[in-house]
Amino acid sequence: DTGVSQDPRHKITKRGQNVTFRCDPISEHNRLYWYRQTLGQGPEFLTYFQNEAQLEKSRLLSDRFSAERPKGSFSTLEIQRTEQGDSAMYLCASSLVGLNIQYFGAGTRLSVL
Amino acid sequence: DQQVKQNSPSLSVQEGRISILNCDYTNSMFDYFLWYKKYPAEGPTFLISISSIKDKNEDGRFTVFLNKSAKHLSLHIVPSQPGDSAVYFCAATSGGSNYKLTFGKGTLLTVNP
Repeated sequence: DTGVSQDPRHKITKRGQNVTFRCDPISEHNRLYWYRQTLGQGPEFLTYFQNEAQLEKSRLLSDRFSAERPKGSFSTLEIQRTEQGDSAMYLCASSLVGLNIQYFGAGTRLSVL
Repeated sequence: DQQVKQNSPSLSVQEGRISILNCDYTNSMFDYFLWYKKYPAEGPTFLISISSIKDKNEDGRFTVFLNKSAKHLSLHIVPSQPGDSAVYFCAATSGGSNYKLTFGKGTLLTVNP
């Protein structure tokens, strides 16, 4: 069991560039969540997949953000035209249907210069 | 509006003593509560949870208490160890919310040798 894996761990980009993050959930987990954490705050929900279907998106997820989970396995989160306010830790978590416990990856820290 | 509140940003205790971390919530729909522990540069790690049908759950040195009428829960760690030093997040969820987690801002626990 390799746990939830996120790549890259760190990303530094210039304002206006596009970035993409990847999350590989625990293999048998069919639910996948993305959260964002800024300094001094707890993680905040962004979006949620059950298998390949994206079932909920937070109002925090502007139209510059898009997430996919093709074939219900790994997921990608893309941010287009990055802004300095996008600088944060992006966390991925997975769980099994029917169970409340989510297991988190180590996160991707994004710095927008 | 903050639906999950951790009013103590930090707590310092002596090794061997009890650590008590507190959490309040406002949303009556929450029916499952979790505590996560986070070390710097790592993702949150699940620690212990409790369903709203219970008022206590114990796992080794960790016990979570839930007072539904007061909308309050607490995490007790006894005896505290230096390795327990981390940020502790309280989180809440419900089936009606697709099980997404709503987090507090966290409490930094420091256990002094």
